[in-house]
Order: sequence, then C-alpha cells, then structure tokens
Amino acid sequence: GNSVTQMEGPVTLSEEAFLTINCTYTATGYPSLFWYVQYPGEGLQLLLKATKADDKGSNKGFEATYRKETTSFHLEKGSVQVSDSAVYFCAPNTGNQFYFGTGTSLTVIP
Amino acid sequence: NAGVMQNPRHLVRRRGQEARLRCSPMKGHSHVYWYRQLPEEGLKFMVYLQKENIIDESGMPKERFSAEFPKEGPSILRIQQVVRGDSAAYFCASSPGRGRETEAFFGQGTRLTVV
Repeated sequence: GNSVTQMEGPVTLSEEAFLTINCTYTATGYPSLFWYVQYPGEGLQLLLKATKADDKGSNKGFEATYRKETTSFHLEKGSVQVSDSAVYFCAPNTGNQFYFGTGTSLTVIP
Repeated sequence: NAGVMQNPRHLVRRRGQEARLRCSPMKGHSHVYWYRQLPEEGLKFMVYLQKENIIDESGMPKERFSAEFPKEGPSILRIQQVVRGDSAAYFCASSPGRGRETEAFFGQGTRLTVV
C-alpha cells in the first residue's frame, strides 16, 4: 500500500539553526513528492515539489531532493526563522490522491 | 482569482444532528478531495470526486458519511447523526486535473465540533 513516515515532532529550534525533517514513503507506481506547510488555523499550502528521481524542489530557502533509491524526500533549511513555525506535511501523489504523513510541528524560538 | 472556499469555517452540532460542509473549488478546477484532520493527527483521505462522479471513496466511513460534487454548485460533505468522534477539521482541496504532478490547492477548513 501507500504510506508516509515523517519524523516525530514537535521540533523546537532556535532562530538561524539548521532544519531537517525526515520523510520516507512507500508507494505503488512512481509518485511525485510534495511538501505542504500548515500555519496555525489555516489550510495547507504547497511549499515545494519534485516530480522525478534526483529532482530538487526549493522554495523560501527550503529544499528537498527526490531520492528514489531510499524512497525519501527529506526537508532542509539552512537557517530557520520564527515565521517558519508551522506544521510540515510530506505527501506523495500517485495520481489518484495525496498520501499525507502525520505532520511535523516546528517551533522556532528567537 | 479566489482560492478554495469552504464554509462554514466553524460548525457546532449536537449529537444526532446533521452536518453539511461546503467546498467551492478554484475556478476551472473540476477535481475535489476531502480530508479529515483529527487533533494531533495528520490528514486522512476521505474521498476524491470529479464533477458528478465519485472517483475514490476508500477513506469514507461506511455509514453516515456521504459526498457529492454536482454539475452546478459546491461540493458537499454530509455527515448524518453526528457523534462526538466526528469532531475534527475537514479540509477540501481542488485541482485542475488528475495526475501525479498536479498540485492540490487547499481551503482553510471547516472545524466541526459535536457537543
């Protein structure tokens, strides 16, 4: 079946720290991979995506590389800001639906 | 160009009542997805609809829940005889088509509280 495993949160970092949120997946077929972000009280917004192996998605300083051999799509940012505090969801898309992980809550403290 | 609109944003129902959640997709989008988010949990897929068709309802509970996306008007998620366990945030997403590269655009959700 299809599933996503994200690192458990909550994650608390100081401003300007390095961020890694791990994501591994199992999927039938060849999914595209997405990271979505959810700010408090809001819906999900697309953060970045990658559609084939070795592609790197990037946006707002966040990056993730599609690793087909390890079925992973880890999210990284070199220097986090307080405004990055949110819940982050990894989501493969097989064409029928998005499979979301449980989300990883990130809090960045000044 | 308005985004995905969900209403109401907050809905309170007593046990045994019906809840109707509405979702208007983005202009030009004919595909709608519904997800449920329980406190401290991720998003659980419920149903995927195209205009007038249910494509995948594998995540829908077998009883009390139904969804439709008519030719005209918003998509409706209907929950009959609500119970406390139905309290959750329900999110709708829309996309212009179907495919592994297609992005889904989310609404702000309807937060259902059953008292």
